[in-house]
Amino acid sequence: AQRVTQPEKLLSVFKGAPVELKCNYSYSGSPELFWYVQYSRQRLQLLLRHISRESIKGFTADLNKGETSFHLKKPFAQEEDSAMYYCALSAQGAQKLVFGQGTRLTINP
Amino acid sequence: DAGVIQSPRHEVTEMGQEVTLRCKPISGHNSLFWYRQTMMRGLELLIYFNNNVPIDDSGMPEDRFSAKMPNASFSTLKIQPSEPRDSAVYFCASKRGLAGYNEQFFGPGTRLTVL
Repeated sequence: AQRVTQPEKLLSVFKGAPVELKCNYSYSGSPELFWYVQYSRQRLQLLLRHISRESIKGFTADLNKGETSFHLKKPFAQEEDSAMYYCALSAQGAQKLVFGQGTRLTINP
Repeated sequence: DAGVIQSPRHEVTEMGQEVTLRCKPISGHNSLFWYRQTMMRGLELLIYFNNNVPIDDSGMPEDRFSAKMPNASFSTLKIQPSEPRDSAVYFCASKRGLAGYNEQFFGPGTRLTVL
């Protein structure tokens, strides 16, 4: 069975500081990994996926198969980054997503 | 496109009553997902459909929950009878195609409170 763990329910950093939201997964095959974000009063939306190897809004995430991790990073946090972040996994060839518990990120001015 | 549409946005009901949540996926999307979000358990998949056919309902908590998708543009999630522990935000999401890496588009959610 697949499992996604986000160890931090709450994370608070100051504006301009680096941010790292942790995500670990459990899956024996090759996973598809995603970060979804929910800003205040907005819908849950895709932030980035590992297959695209892209940087979105300054965020990047690298899949580390050895450590089974997919941590989300940004070198300089901005106040508009405050939101709820969910890491999600899709098993190879599967349709459904398994979500972590989520991390609420707060950027302090 | 208005995106995924859910109704109602808020529902308050009493224990024992039937509750029906509605979802209209994005036109052209052929996969539809129902999720439940709670503080304790986070975001859980309840059931999903491909081309209107239920594929995996292993996340449906019990027989009180049922979901249908009579056509490509409409799905319902029904709880009968409702219980206070069903209080949560219920999300519907849709996706184009069958590839796992395709983005899921979420609706605004229905906040259900069962008294």
